[in-house]
Amino acid sequence: KQEVTQIPAALSVPEGENLVLNCSFTDSAIYNLQWFRQDPGKGLTSLLLIQSSQREQTSGRLNASLDKSSGRSTLYIAASQPGDSATYLCAVEDNNDMRFGAGTRLTVKP
Amino acid sequence: DARVTQTPRHKVTEMGQEVTMRCQPILGHNTVFWYRQTMMQGLELLAYFRNRAPLDDSGMPKDRFSAEMPDATLATLKIQPSEPRDSAVYFCASGPGGSTEAFFGQGTRLTVV
Repeated sequence: KQEVTQIPAALSVPEGENLVLNCSFTDSAIYNLQWFRQDPGKGLTSLLLIQSSQREQTSGRLNASLDKSSGRSTLYIAASQPGDSATYLCAVEDNNDMRFGAGTRLTVKP
Repeated sequence: DARVTQTPRHKVTEMGQEVTMRCQPILGHNTVFWYRQTMMQGLELLAYFRNRAPLDDSGMPKDRFSAEMPDATLATLKIQPSEPRDSAVYFCASGPGGSTEAFFGQGTRLTVV
C-alpha cells in the first residue's frame, strides 16, 4: 500500500528565503507525482505535475524534482513571498489510486 | 457514516451526447469542489461552490461545461456536448468552509467514444 509522507509538517520563514519541501513515497511504481497548493476554504491548485519518466519540472519560482528510485520528491521555492503562504500537498498516482501526503503548512513572514 | 456520494460511478457515452454527473456532499458541509483527473494533467480543479454559490469556475471550459447546486444536498456537473477529450475521472469533494479539510467522493469515470 502506497504511503506518502511530507516533511516538515509546518514551516515558517522570512520573506525572500529559498526553501525546500519534501515528499517521500513507499512504492516507486508510480505514474506521476503532483504538487498542489491549498488555501483555507479553497480547492487544490495544481502547481507542478511530474510524469514518472521525468526528473523535474519548473514553473516560475517553483521547481519540483522526482527521484523515483529513492521514493522522493522536493519542491523548491525561490525567493519566497508572503503570498506563498499556504498548505502544500504532494500526491502520487499509481495503478490503484491517488494518494496525498498530509501537507506542509508554509508561512512566509513579511 | 458520512461520505460524499457520486453517481454514476462509470459512464460511457458517444461524442455529442449530454452527460450529467451528480454529487451528494456530506451533510453540513458548505463547500463543494469539482475536480477532473487525467493521466496527462493530473488532478485539476474545475469549480467550487460555497453555500451553493459558485466562487471559482475558472478551471472549467465554459462553452460546454456547467456546474450547479440546485440545493444543499446536490451538486451537478454537466457536459454538453461531450467530446472524447473529456474522458477522465471526475471527483467531487466537500468540506466545512474556512478550513483545508476536504472529503472526496469515489469519482465518476467518464469515457466519451
